Amino acid sequence: EAGVTQFPSHSVIEKGQTVTLRCDPISGHDNLYWYRRVMGKEIKFLLHFVKESKQDESGMPNNRFLAERTGGTYSTLKVQPAELEDSGVYFCASSQDGEQYFGPGTRLTVT
Amino acid sequence: AQSVTQLDSQVPVFEEAPVELRCNYSSSVSVYLFWYVQYPNQGLQLLLKYLSGSTLVESINGFEAEFNKSQTSFHLRKPSVHISDTAEYFCAVSRGWGAQKLVFGQGTRLTINP
Repeated sequence: EAGVTQFPSHSVIEKGQTVTLRCDPISGHDNLYWYRRVMGKEIKFLLHFVKESKQDESGMPNNRFLAERTGGTYSTLKVQPAELEDSGVYFCASSQDGEQYFGPGTRLTVT
Repeated sequence: AQSVTQLDSQVPVFEEAPVELRCNYSSSVSVYLFWYVQYPNQGLQLLLKYLSGSTLVESINGFEAEFNKSQTSFHLRKPSVHISDTAEYFCAVSRGWGAQKLVFGQGTRLTINP
């Protein structure tokens, strides 16, 4: 069974540009989470989908971030326009009834 | 709200030596406790969890953690480490098991020297 996959693995963009990160959860998992780790800091929760609905988006830093989960399958996280402080590793996780399974992360560098 | 503190950002130890990675948490409600591990170039993996019952929980690769409610701690220990244990370890709490966000500590990078 395939695990959680994320694309791209790395992205380097300039300040002001737009980037879209993608997460494919484990098939059948209704819960999908986005987390972010800024360099040297803790991993922080961004938001939680249950199927296609946003259950909790209390961790989204501002309105430059937009997350979607079309049809309750894969999810995208768009940052527009990107700022320097958005640099970090973005993790996606999925779960059904218990354990959250994490993807390898997308390393975003904003220059 | 919950918070997690991992007191050591880096812990270097020699192979076959014991190790303890410290984790303290703060919460106004009951929480579940977790240790996740991230090996180089991989995603986070659940190492062990405390949900209820025995306060001492073990992983399949020899790690153990003990939930101490009075000290609000969940320290991770291993009596003898191996080179393959080199990784970053994250302590986390959650209000539930399943469909609940995780609140993480800052992570502890464990380096094993031969």
